[in-house]
Amino acid sequence: ETGVTQTPRHLVMGMTNKKSLKCEQHLGHNAMYWYKQSAKKPLELMFVYSLEERVENNSVPSRFSPECPNSSHLFLHLHTLQPEDSALYLCASSPSGNEQFFGPGTRLTVL
Amino acid sequence: QKEVEQDPGPLSVPEGAIVSLNCTYSNSAFQYFMWYRQYSRKGPELLMYTYSSGNKEDGRFTAQVDKSSKYISLFIRDSQPSDSATYLCAMHSSASKIIFGSGTRLSIRP
Repeated sequence: ETGVTQTPRHLVMGMTNKKSLKCEQHLGHNAMYWYKQSAKKPLELMFVYSLEERVENNSVPSRFSPECPNSSHLFLHLHTLQPEDSALYLCASSPSGNEQFFGPGTRLTVL
Repeated sequence: QKEVEQDPGPLSVPEGAIVSLNCTYSNSAFQYFMWYRQYSRKGPELLMYTYSSGNKEDGRFTAQVDKSSKYISLFIRDSQPSDSATYLCAMHSSASKIIFGSGTRLSIRP
C-alpha cells in the first residue's frame, strides 16, 4: 500500500446522477493529482493541487469538479457524465512534484 | 508526434529471461525519468526514478537513460511470473508536468 486511499473502488452511475470520488493521503505530501486512465491510452492529468490551491486544470469538462479542503483530502465531484467518461480515475500525491504515489483508483462506469 | 512513445505489447517471455522495456520521447528538455509498474486493478507503483543520463540499478531492475537518443529502457533480470504487469514510463522537466507513456503489458510464462 502506498498510503493513498480512494473510495469507492467501483462506481456505476447514470448520466443524470451526481456522485463524488474521494482520495485521502497520509504521507504528508503537499501536492495531489487526479488522473484519468482509459484503455490503451496514456494517463491523462486532470487536476493538480499544491498546498490546497488548484495549480493546473487540463481543459477538463466542467462536469468534473475537484475540491481540496485540506492537504490530505481530495474530491472529484461528478455530474451529468457521458458514457465516454467511463475509465479508471486515479488519485496521486507527491512530496516534490517529481515522484508520484498513486492510489488504487476508482473504476467508473457511466451508463 | 506523441511526446512519449511506448510499445503497448503484449510482451510474453519465459520465466528467467531478461526483459527489455523501452520508451522514446521528443522533448529534449526532459530530465527526470520514471518507471511505474501497474498490476491489474491496482494503481501504478513507482519502480525506478532517475535524473539525467546513465544507469541506475535496484535489485533485478536496471533503468537506463540515453538523452542523446531520447531513449529510456528498463531491464528486468531473472524475470518472475510476479513481474507480469503493465509497465509505464514517465518523464518531465523542471518546468513541465509529468507525461506518461501508454504502458507495455508484460507476461512472464512459468
